[in-house]
Amino acid sequence: DIVLTQAPLSVSVTPGESASISCRSSKSLLSSKGITSLYWYLQKPGKSPQLLIYRMSNLASGVPDRFSGSGSETDFTLKISKVETEDVGVYYCAQFLEYPYTFGAGTKLELK
Amino acid sequence: EVKLLESGGGLVQPGGSLRLSCAASGFTFTDFYMSWIRQPPGKAPEWLGVIRNKANGYTTEYNPSVKGRFTISRDNTQNILYLQMNTLRAKDTAIYYCARGGSWDYWGQGVMVTVSS
Repeated sequence: DIVLTQAPLSVSVTPGESASISCRSSKSLLSSKGITSLYWYLQKPGKSPQLLIYRMSNLASGVPDRFSGSGSETDFTLKISKVETEDVGVYYCAQFLEYPYTFGAGTKLELK
Repeated sequence: EVKLLESGGGLVQPGGSLRLSCAASGFTFTDFYMSWIRQPPGKAPEWLGVIRNKANGYTTEYNPSVKGRFTISRDNTQNILYLQMNTLRAKDTAIYYCARGGSWDYWGQGVMVTVSS
C-alpha cells in the first residue's frame, strides 16, 4: 500500500497568518496519464471530511482561494494563507493513484 | 442539492452482521462511482471500497483489510448505496461514511457502528 506521511502532526497559527502542511508519499503519485492523484480534505470538529484540493493543485468548488496545493511526484504541500477561525480542524491528504486508496494520519490545525 | 444520508448503524456483537444504507439525492446516481470510508474514533479515515458507475458496469474494488467480509452494492432504481458487513470485529468500530464520485466531493454525515459484546 502507498504510505502517506504528513507533517507536522499539529500546527498552531495566529489568525491572519499562513500555515503549510506537508504530505510525503512512499511512491510517485504521477499517473501514466500525467495526473498527480493527491487530494486534500479538511475535517472540521464533529463534521464529515470535505474536499479542498483535487489532483494536487486544483481548488474544489466553493473552497476559498486562501487554500492552495502544490508539489512534485512524491512531496506535496497544502498552504493556507491568512488563516481564519473556520479553518480549524484536521487536514488529511489522500492518494487515488492505486487501490487501496490511503490517507495520511492527519494534521491538526489550531488557533493561537 | 446533493445529499447523502447513511443509516443502519448501531451496536452489534462480535461475529455479527450489519447492513448500512446511503440514500442519495440531488444528482444522477448512476453516473457516479460511490465509495464507503470509515473512521475509527480519533483516527484517520480508511477507504473500504468503491462501486463504479453505469458506464463502468457497476464493478467493485475493496480494501484488502475488509475484502471477503464486506460487500458493496447499489440499488439504482431507488438511488441507494449499501454496505453489507459480515463477521464483524471490535476493530470495525467506527463512523462509516459514503462519499460520491472519484474525488469524494460529497460525503454523508456518517453513521456509527459499534462492535462489542
